[in-house]
Amino acid sequence: GENVEQHPSTLSVQEGDSAVIKCTYSDSASNYFPWYKQELGKRPQLIIDIRSNVGEKKDQRIAVTLNKTAKHFSLHITETQPEDSAVYFCAASKSPDGLTFGKGTHLIIQP
Amino acid sequence: DVKVTQSSRYLVKRTGEKVFLECVQDMDHENMFWYRQDPGLGLRLIYFSYDVKMKEKGDIPEGYSVSREKKERFSLILESASTNQTSMYLCAVGALGGYTFGSGTRLTVV
Repeated sequence: GENVEQHPSTLSVQEGDSAVIKCTYSDSASNYFPWYKQELGKRPQLIIDIRSNVGEKKDQRIAVTLNKTAKHFSLHITETQPEDSAVYFCAASKSPDGLTFGKGTHLIIQP
Repeated sequence: DVKVTQSSRYLVKRTGEKVFLECVQDMDHENMFWYRQDPGLGLRLIYFSYDVKMKEKGDIPEGYSVSREKKERFSLILESASTNQTSMYLCAVGALGGYTFGSGTRLTVV
């Protein structure tokens, strides 16, 4: 089955700086790569996703890049703000199977 | 947006008990999923279902079973609860393009 590795497990950045979270996956047949944000005590929520026919996708301050050859994808958050503090999960899937998640990155925004 | 409701927010059960966790959705989605979430391990897929009476094993199905008698309801069953099943259980509904998660059930087995 699919295996998703996520790094780092904890990331602390100064407010206003950029944050990058990286994931690798094992199954070359995976074709869908979402990112979820989970605030303390709340359910995970989808923030951005990318499909295997696209190399990059951007939505305001967040962007995701995908390198199919290397089987890795990354989340980029620019101009970080206090409300960006949360746990972020990457995931991978090949339709119609369920998502396989990484172990999560705790992002801390320092004032 | 789909609404996903998990019947219990917190549960405490004894070892050996049979436990039912319920998940209900209001949008007629075919796909429903059960995950467990543990610190440092992320979300791990237990079982999923594409349609009524259909089920597929996920990555960690041991010790669990599921039931989907109606399209809107997907139940996770712990046949004989054990302490290593103490966890947060999350139900999800949807397809590629976005899952909606329930609020979760924090199960403690004592």
